[in-house]
Amino acid sequence: SSELTQDPAVSVALGQTVRITCQGDSLRTYYASWYQQKPGQAPLLVIYGKNNRPSGIPDRFSGSSSGNTASLTITGAQAEDEADYHCNSRGSSGNPLYWVFGGGTKLTVL
Amino acid sequence: QVQLVQSGAEVKKPGSSVKVSCKASGGTFSSYAITWVRQAPGQGLEWMGRIIPILGVTNYAPKFQGRLSITADKSTTTAYMELSSLRSEDTAVYYCAREEMGSPYYFDYWGQGTPVTVSS
Repeated sequence: SSELTQDPAVSVALGQTVRITCQGDSLRTYYASWYQQKPGQAPLLVIYGKNNRPSGIPDRFSGSSSGNTASLTITGAQAEDEADYHCNSRGSSGNPLYWVFGGGTKLTVL
Repeated sequence: QVQLVQSGAEVKKPGSSVKVSCKASGGTFSSYAITWVRQAPGQGLEWMGRIIPILGVTNYAPKFQGRLSITADKSTTTAYMELSSLRSEDTAVYYCAREEMGSPYYFDYWGQGTPVTVSS
């Protein structure tokens, strides 16, 4: 399958922990990368590889993977974490090369 | 620091073509791939294709085959995305992003986005 599936919307109380998931066959082979996107802004890489954060990304963001599911966890969600989150991975077919995004998850911090 | 600066907003007629540029600075242009992603209004991100500038190798999403051309000019460290036979469904913000080649795959720097409106 060339698809990645995400829940359209998730909510979390301020300071609590939230997990955003991404499912797809390609995740059995390739790591997901995760992007935060706020209204009117370009996406921002927050997690890549097994569980890597680019410089400047708070350590409350973490990633994990099991089977065909990748997860982005925010431990102690802050108001500024309210955004859309998109997962991405390389497609599962070897040739031709392609990449695929999930449909995105809108995170609301209550 | 690495920056990707895209060309400005475009308004196009159905059936025409659009060419968006993405100028890279602050990094080694030839050491990475440049990927193009679009986002229709209120929708998610959609991967379109990519180019490895040092090799000139391209990969395209199947739905854009035959309509999409991605090129790169190493001398000016600029990548280009040209989409032809435009239709209203191509109205979107188009982004370029730098891709770290080899696993794990990710897009670490993004352009500011170029809005393209297709309307008669």
